[in-house]
Order: sequence, then C-alpha cells, then structure tokens
Amino acid sequence: SYVLTQPPSVSLAPGKTARITCAGNKIGSTTVHWYQQKPGQAPTLIMSYDSVRPSGIPERFSGSNSGNMATLTISRVEAGDQADYFCHVWDFKSDQEVFGGGTTLTVL
Amino acid sequence: QIALRESGPTLVRPTETLTLTCTFSGFSLRKNGVAVSWIRQSPGRALEWLALVPGSGAKRYNEVLQTRLAISKDTAKNEVVLTVTNVDPADTATYYCAHSTTRPTDAFDFWGLGIRVTVSS
Repeated sequence: SYVLTQPPSVSLAPGKTARITCAGNKIGSTTVHWYQQKPGQAPTLIMSYDSVRPSGIPERFSGSNSGNMATLTISRVEAGDQADYFCHVWDFKSDQEVFGGGTTLTVL
Repeated sequence: QIALRESGPTLVRPTETLTLTCTFSGFSLRKNGVAVSWIRQSPGRALEWLALVPGSGAKRYNEVLQTRLAISKDTAKNEVVLTVTNVDPADTATYYCAHSTTRPTDAFDFWGLGIRVTVSS
C-alpha cells in the first residue's frame, strides 16, 4: 500500500517560515491535499490540488509538489498556526485514500 | 452551506456492531458527482479513510477493513450510515464524515465535528 511520511513535529519562532513535508513514492505524479487540525477540532482543508487555497485561507499558506516530496509552506508563522497538519492523496493503484501520519507545528 | 453531523453510540462492547449515522445538509446524494466518506482518527492521531458512498456509482472501501464495513445512504433523509462489525478496542477512535466529489483525486472539503467512540467491555 502507498505510504506518506511526514515529520512528527516542526518547531519554530513566530515570524519564521515553516515547511512541512510529505514524502511518497512519485508523489509529484498525483495531487496532494493538506488539512489543518487544531486541538479538539475536526480537520479543515487548507490546501487542495497541491497549491490551491480554499476561500478564507491566508496567502501565507502555499503548497508545492514534485518528485517524491510535497511541501506545505507557512510564511510568517503565527501562534494561531499551531496545529496538526496532514497530507492526503488518492493512490490510483489501490484506489485508496491515504493520509500522512501528521505533523505537529509548534510556534515557540 | 454544507454541514455534516455524526451521531451514534459512544461506547460499544467488543464483538458488537457499531452503527454510525451522518446527517448532512447543503447538498444532495441524489445528484451525480457528490460523495460522503467516513474517516476515523485513533487516539494516536493518524487519520484513516474507511469508506465512500457516491450519489451514483460504486461504493469504495478501505481495502484492509472492507470485510467489516458497510456504507449506505438514505437520500430522503439526507443520511449516510456506516456499520462496523465485530468491533475491537483497536476501533476506538473519533469517527468523522466528510463531503467530497466523486473524483478520487478530490479533497474532503467539509467535515463533521466527529463522534468519539470507545470500544471496551
């Protein structure tokens, strides 16, 4: 089965740029979605089709996908960005929806 | 405005069948091109897709769990039901239902608040 690997945690100071990665075999040949989940809440979609921001998502959030790595970039990180972030793809070989293990973003 | 809400038991015994209901508004499963999925999240935080029912077309299931899962829809009530048979403590999780289109590459753009289910004797 297809596996997506994310770093368990990313920590940085306010105002810095966070890069959350999602590694998968030839992930660049598919489309990646990203979800943000704050404590006690349901996930919310913050990036679709690699780099499309849904309505209401700040421009500080951007996405890219190439080769074996997809990346969610959060510029000028704020305390309110503290959350878990999950990547998601559809594996066409198995017809399964696959999630990464999640990355906890901590703003120091 | 699309909204979804999960309901069902919060405690089930091992070997029993878990039945969860997703009640939604703002779209109809009578229409082609829309779908509802069930996704769960164990206390260790990983998200796991379970099943999808489309407005039209074939249902899809998690390949590992498919023998224990059944998803169905009631278009008149705007409900989607998931059953999980022979539950085990490993099925303890928060269960979410989510809206998407029927394109497999599409995202889950609206989620319910989730229901926390514990499997314990």
